[in-house]
Amino acid sequence: EPEVTQTPSHQVTQMGQEVILRCVPISNHLYFYWYRQILGQKVEFLVSFYNNEISEKSEIFDDQFSVERPDGSNFTLKIRSTKLEDSAMYFCASTIRPAGGNNEQFFGPGTRLTVL
Amino acid sequence: GDSVTQMEGPVTLSEEAFLTINCTYTATGYPSLFWYVQYPGEGLQLLLKATKADDKGSNKGFEATYRKETTSFHLEKGSVQVSDSAVYFCAVDRGSTLGRLYFGRGTQLTVWP
Repeated sequence: EPEVTQTPSHQVTQMGQEVILRCVPISNHLYFYWYRQILGQKVEFLVSFYNNEISEKSEIFDDQFSVERPDGSNFTLKIRSTKLEDSAMYFCASTIRPAGGNNEQFFGPGTRLTVL
Repeated sequence: GDSVTQMEGPVTLSEEAFLTINCTYTATGYPSLFWYVQYPGEGLQLLLKATKADDKGSNKGFEATYRKETTSFHLEKGSVQVSDSAVYFCAVDRGSTLGRLYFGRGTQLTVWP
């Protein structure tokens, strides 16, 4: 069964460093998402991506964040200069279509980012 | 304000006990409602969903009914098993055509044999 994969499973970095979190969505999906969950808090939407551009972003997704689909399979989230408060579990998700009857989003296992 | 308010955990039950995890939501329009489950070491998996009022989603013995009048989508299971131990997340899309999901905090369920 196709699945969304994410690498690495755990990333430790120093404050101020850049990190890139990688995701491989399901191959025939067209809409891609990043969410994050700070420990003990809600899963929060960061950004959605369709047709090679951002379709929606939350207030969390500031200039320090960027997303890219560099080829036909990968979908990346970059944080340019990490802060302590960026420590969280980051989930990638994808779907064929975001509305209507078959609007299930398929999630990856997550990357745990720890900023020291 | 919060879009999804979910019962806080952890919830600990004995095998074969009845489970209810409460979830209420805030949304306009015609949102779809979801329950996701996360087993240890895995990603979020869709457990069940409902796309319109009075719909009942069901899967693996779990059920939830879309109650527009009470803006609720409570998850129930009549007899839990040890293998149901996981974190359960309630989510709503608030009728967005872009698919943005709003999640609750998650409820950790532990079932003892």
